[in-house]
Amino acid sequence: QMQLQESGPGLVKPSETLSLTCTVSGASISTHSWSWIRQPPGKGLEWIGLLFFSGSTNYNPSLKSRLTTSVDTSKNQFSLRLSSVTAADTAVYYCARRGPSSVADVWGQGTTVTVSS
Amino acid sequence: DIQMTQSPSSLSASVGDRVTITCRASQSIGTYLHWYQQKPGRAPKLLIYTASSLQSGVPSRFSGSGSGTDFTLTIYSLQPEDFATYYCHQTYNIPDTFGQGTKLEIK
Repeated sequence: QMQLQESGPGLVKPSETLSLTCTVSGASISTHSWSWIRQPPGKGLEWIGLLFFSGSTNYNPSLKSRLTTSVDTSKNQFSLRLSSVTAADTAVYYCARRGPSSVADVWGQGTTVTVSS
Repeated sequence: DIQMTQSPSSLSASVGDRVTITCRASQSIGTYLHWYQQKPGRAPKLLIYTASSLQSGVPSRFSGSGSGTDFTLTIYSLQPEDFATYYCHQTYNIPDTFGQGTKLEIK
């Protein structure tokens, strides 16, 4: 059974870079596509971007200039880096599998990131 | 970006009621519309994909319909565990977009 687990620092200072990793178990990262999604406190869901198993990516235009993603097949992980963060980037960050019809059918439990000095 | 508008934003209902949540897209999205349930402190859980297909393991009291721009999620005979927030999600165009959520509360 596929499982996803997000990890990374829970606190990031303004203007610094937020780095998160999603570790996949129960499936090979190379045979699926993956999404990052976030949820600010008390608010709705915002799609961040996706990584195809081919290595190509698509990002939300609102974040594209600050966003970098990567895949480490040796560790069965994929990662997100968001630069120049502000308080508006405070959120629970989720990784998810992008399944058939691009549905997010398997989610990690989420990790809370707070941007604060 | 495709805008997704859910209604209502909140809803009070009783155990055993039937409830309907609607989601409207700002342009046609075919059936690239999915529904999730989220409980406090938990990740969203997929309920319905491609407008009307029930995700494995989801109770049959959940039902989805629609195509194009108008979609509905219906919960027949509400159970205590169904009180949560529900989101629609379009994957027709990138960027994906979500509805703002519908909070279903106990009356």
